[in-house]
Amino acid sequence: DVKVTQSSRYLVKRTGEKVFLECVQDMDHENMFWYRQDPGLGLRLIYFSYDVKMKEKGDIPEGYSVSREKKERFSLILESASTNQTSMYLCASSFIRKLANYGYTFGSGTRLTVV
Amino acid sequence: GESVGLHLPTLSVQEGDNSIINCAYSNSASDYFIWYKQESGKGPQFIIDIRSNMDKRQGQRVTVLLNKTVKHLSLQIAATQPGDSAVYFCAENSGGSNYKLTFGKGTLLTVNP
Repeated sequence: DVKVTQSSRYLVKRTGEKVFLECVQDMDHENMFWYRQDPGLGLRLIYFSYDVKMKEKGDIPEGYSVSREKKERFSLILESASTNQTSMYLCASSFIRKLANYGYTFGSGTRLTVV
Repeated sequence: GESVGLHLPTLSVQEGDNSIINCAYSNSASDYFIWYKQESGKGPQFIIDIRSNMDKRQGQRVTVLLNKTVKHLSLQIAATQPGDSAVYFCAENSGGSNYKLTFGKGTLLTVNP
């Protein structure tokens, strides 16, 4: 069964900490995405990547950075966590030009609380 | 129903009834659409997709209808079961080289036993 695995289901971090959220996919997908999901706001794209070492800003990149050193792994970094970054974070992956059958495959999400 | 950008609507149905969840999309250039199901505390799961050259596509107990004239997408669930209770949201791909999806905010479906 193909998978997108997020390293943590729940995280609690302190304000000002540097936070790493890890995502690994085993489908050899080129595209990977990080979203945050908040009540009433839906899914908002933070960053995405089309290939190793490539990254592009999404709609709300401020306060975040990403790293993609290997094809299967896409990391989201909160440089200095703040309480307004408390949210559900979702990682997804997809084929290039292969959305025809499966679209994005999502991970189970990481619920991050910043205190 | 829902529209990309609106508050989360809710739909409550009785077990065994058919459910219809609606989605209005804004980009007439969108060529691919997907419905996702998200259960509480979980990531979204793919349900069914449709390309813009089709009007209807059927899966197991689910049907997606696409009306390009009015930019409307619907998800029909037959014989709704308690396990269908979840948030359902549509996504559209406006084409281009990046294949980013634009997501609606979702509809909360509650199935009453």
